[in-house]
Amino acid sequence: DAKTTQPTSMDCAEGRAANLPCNHSTISGNEYVYWYRQIHSQGPQYIIHGLKNNETNEMASLIITEDRKSSTLILPHATLRDTAVYYCIVRVPYTGTASKLTFGTGTRLQVTL
Amino acid sequence: DSGVTQTPKHLITATGQRVTLRCSPRSGDLSVYWYQQSLDQGLQFLIQYYNGEERAKGNILERFSAQQFPDLHSELNLSSLELGDSALYFCASSVRTARTDTQYFGPGTRLTVL
Repeated sequence: DAKTTQPTSMDCAEGRAANLPCNHSTISGNEYVYWYRQIHSQGPQYIIHGLKNNETNEMASLIITEDRKSSTLILPHATLRDTAVYYCIVRVPYTGTASKLTFGTGTRLQVTL
Repeated sequence: DSGVTQTPKHLITATGQRVTLRCSPRSGDLSVYWYQQSLDQGLQFLIQYYNGEERAKGNILERFSAQQFPDLHSELNLSSLELGDSALYFCASSVRTARTDTQYFGPGTRLTVL
């Protein structure tokens, strides 16, 4: 699985958009970009994933650059409940054998009033 | 609520003891994964089962073992416990489709070894 680089921490004002970047310059053609978050020792929560097209769901939007070397997770209207560690993970979804997630250190997003 | 359940939520035990953590996957999910999260190591993959068979091993100690039963629930057995085994243990489950096998995590079991 490709390595990812994320900022250690970010702040965002409540109600504003939170844009969390992720660099994955060594991504392979068949690797997807996944985002999870972990709110204070709870189980990691799946947010969104994509291959090359931008994706949107009820939680967030995922913007992947055309060369696929970086991506941005967008929380359109951040709330205090979005305060969490956000993990960007690049992986092949299913190899037939190992299908693990490799978590890095993530970005600690602090949403403030 | 992810649909994955784990019991117990908290476990406090002594060094040298043996414990069993239980995980029930989401309905229909055949794969179960175990992860360990300690303060100094972050989230680490331990082991994966698919429909009762072991599929992949990560950084799992020989003192640890797991199994998946015919009803698809899974148990993680930790023996000869050491202080360093204190951690959060998460279970995740997934169902494979042609496009993805997104993993959904349970709330975890917090193990404290005294």
